[in-house]
Amino acid sequence: ELQLVESGGGLVQPGGSLRLSCATSGFTFSSFWMTWVRQAPGKGLEWVASIKRDGSEKHYLDSVKGRFTISRDNAQNSVFLQLNSLRVEDTAVYYCAREGGWYLGGDFYFGMDVWGQGTTVTVSS
Amino acid sequence: DIQMTQSPSSLSASVGDRVTISCRASQSIGTSLSWYRQKPGKAPNLLIYAASTLPIGAPSGFSGSGSGTNFTLTIRGLQPEDFAVYFCQQSHTFPHTFGGGTKVEIK
Repeated sequence: ELQLVESGGGLVQPGGSLRLSCATSGFTFSSFWMTWVRQAPGKGLEWVASIKRDGSEKHYLDSVKGRFTISRDNAQNSVFLQLNSLRVEDTAVYYCAREGGWYLGGDFYFGMDVWGQGTTVTVSS
Repeated sequence: DIQMTQSPSSLSASVGDRVTISCRASQSIGTSLSWYRQKPGKAPNLLIYAASTLPIGAPSGFSGSGSGTNFTLTIRGLQPEDFAVYFCQQSHTFPHTFGGGTKVEIK
């Protein structure tokens, strides 16, 4: 069974840090890009960061560059998001997701086909 | 960054209705567009990728179309589980931006 399980969320003061983890199972983890998406209370989805299969490429939302770091451990089938210098506006449910990754007509297409249940990050004094 | 604009932001419909949701990109993204459905309190699930391709295991009754800057999600025959929020997302260029969402409510 395909499964993604996030952990590491919690309540933290502004300026604080958290490390989110996403443990995966049921598929060959090293074959897939992985992505973190967040959703502030009552708001829409916001893409946060993605990491390539071997970790050689990482991409970030501008507002988190220099504060968040995405990483992965293919031996542990896990992806991580280190959150530093947290701000009130970082409060959200954070989801990890697998990028399905399909080749159609020679072009590569993303699409998040497996999601975790989310972990809640609350930044408040 | 590429901006994604969905319309309408909400709509009311009945079970069995045909519903169409639009998504417009601020610049051409080819067919690098996905659609997601999010039920209350749940993680999103993928409905369509590459603008018109259904992934294995996707719920039935959904179709996608479009290329360039204009895209459409069509729900043929609304089911009770389809009353939810729908998001489009471009994956042509990082950051992979989402549209603001369309809430489909029961009339």
